[in-house]
Amino acid sequence: QVQLQESGPGLVKPSQTLSLTCTVSGGSISSGDYYWSWIRQHPGKGLEWIGYIYYSGTTYYNPSLKSRVFMAVDTSKSQFSLKLSSVTAADTAVYYCARYSGSNRWFDPWGQGTLATVSS
Amino acid sequence: QTVVTQEPSLTVSPGGTVTLTCASSTGAVTSGYYPNWFQQKPGQAPRALIYSISNKHSWTPARFSGSLLGGKAALTLSGVQPEDEAEYYCLLYYGGAWVFGGGTKLTVL
Repeated sequence: QVQLQESGPGLVKPSQTLSLTCTVSGGSISSGDYYWSWIRQHPGKGLEWIGYIYYSGTTYYNPSLKSRVFMAVDTSKSQFSLKLSSVTAADTAVYYCARYSGSNRWFDPWGQGTLATVSS
Repeated sequence: QTVVTQEPSLTVSPGGTVTLTCASSTGAVTSGYYPNWFQQKPGQAPRALIYSISNKHSWTPARFSGSLLGGKAALTLSGVQPEDEAEYYCLLYYGGAWVFGGGTKLTVL
């Protein structure tokens, strides 16, 4: 079955860019129905949808983060990525990647999540 | 700023029934919001339970059901088990963007 795994630096300095990668295994990232999502969870808090990307490169972003978010997909590596610029301590969170079905409107599976801490 | 509201916490006895709700600041939740429900246990990633109001994933226990109730999305647990103690999140669609509710901490006591 499809599995997702996040990776990236656990520590980012304020004002820099947070970069994360999600590797998809057990299925094709180019499957027509699926979008590839990023969701985050601040420590001890709720979930926040960041956005998703289609294998063609089409993106949809959370309006509140749109000015700082960039997503890309590399089908040859079966990976998609998230860049969040000008980070502050408020961007410290566990970042999850997840698969989104465009036809059925569900999010599954999810990766295990990776903690990104913004600190000098 | 769109806000999705859930009960912060609920307590239920084992074997009992409990309903969690999910309200939108924009008005009544309808099918076009494609309500999703997730369960999250401490230290784990969220797990999908329900999508598009009432559709279950293959792994979703039969005791979980989704519906629209009084202008809100609802998740009902019937015959609650101790392992159902968890945080539950709803998720609503707003035409190209998704917004999570703040979560409901369900205690089984």
